[in-house]
Amino acid sequence: AQKITQTQPGMFVQEKEAVTLDCTYDTSDPSYGLFWYKQPSSGEMIFLIYQGSYDQQNATEGRYSLNFQKARKSANLVISASQLGDSAMYFCAMREGGTGGFKTIFGAGTRLFVKA
Amino acid sequence: EADIYQTPRYLVIGTGKKITLECSQTMGHDKMYWYQQDPGMELHLIHYSYGVNSTEKGDLSSESTVSRIRTEHFPLTLESARPSHTSQYLCASSEFLGDQPQHFGDGTRLSIL
Repeated sequence: AQKITQTQPGMFVQEKEAVTLDCTYDTSDPSYGLFWYKQPSSGEMIFLIYQGSYDQQNATEGRYSLNFQKARKSANLVISASQLGDSAMYFCAMREGGTGGFKTIFGAGTRLFVKA
Repeated sequence: EADIYQTPRYLVIGTGKKITLECSQTMGHDKMYWYQQDPGMELHLIHYSYGVNSTEKGDLSSESTVSRIRTEHFPLTLESARPSHTSQYLCASSEFLGDQPQHFGDGTRLSIL
């Protein structure tokens, strides 16, 4: 069963506008963590933001924020003031099993195109 | 900046050759991982390690093998490369606590002719 679902294969956004990339997850473990990574065309994976299942507040890191809706099992990434350099693949990922948990499961990714 | 290094960055090689993809990290991380990723597609975990002398197979069946003799080194070996092994291979490491992100290398893009 798909544990991480990213329903948007591709997204377009105008430069300087905000964009939301969707991510839903499925787990019965009460303790889990959610991650977003960016992968430019050069291929490296860059960590953006983390949300723990027990965190009360939505995570924020600069222009990135995570809209965490636990009851709906969604963890959408919001990028504010998009820049041309934000054009990349974005992967949502989940780690189950508490702080010692190991496996991280990645979604299929969303390709973001930022238009000038 | 994460200090995790993969070599080679690109490799084009013929069928039947033995290949070793190198991965080293200088952060002292216990956990290390190998992922396989086709272009524009999701990552699939093929191997991971909790620490020295620990190796486990991931979710995606792979004909490759790994070893973890030293904390900083986690090489991946293909005994006999085939065209179906053509892909990008990403190495990552993380601290033991699960709320820490994985740090990725730049990847090895492997093409088997």
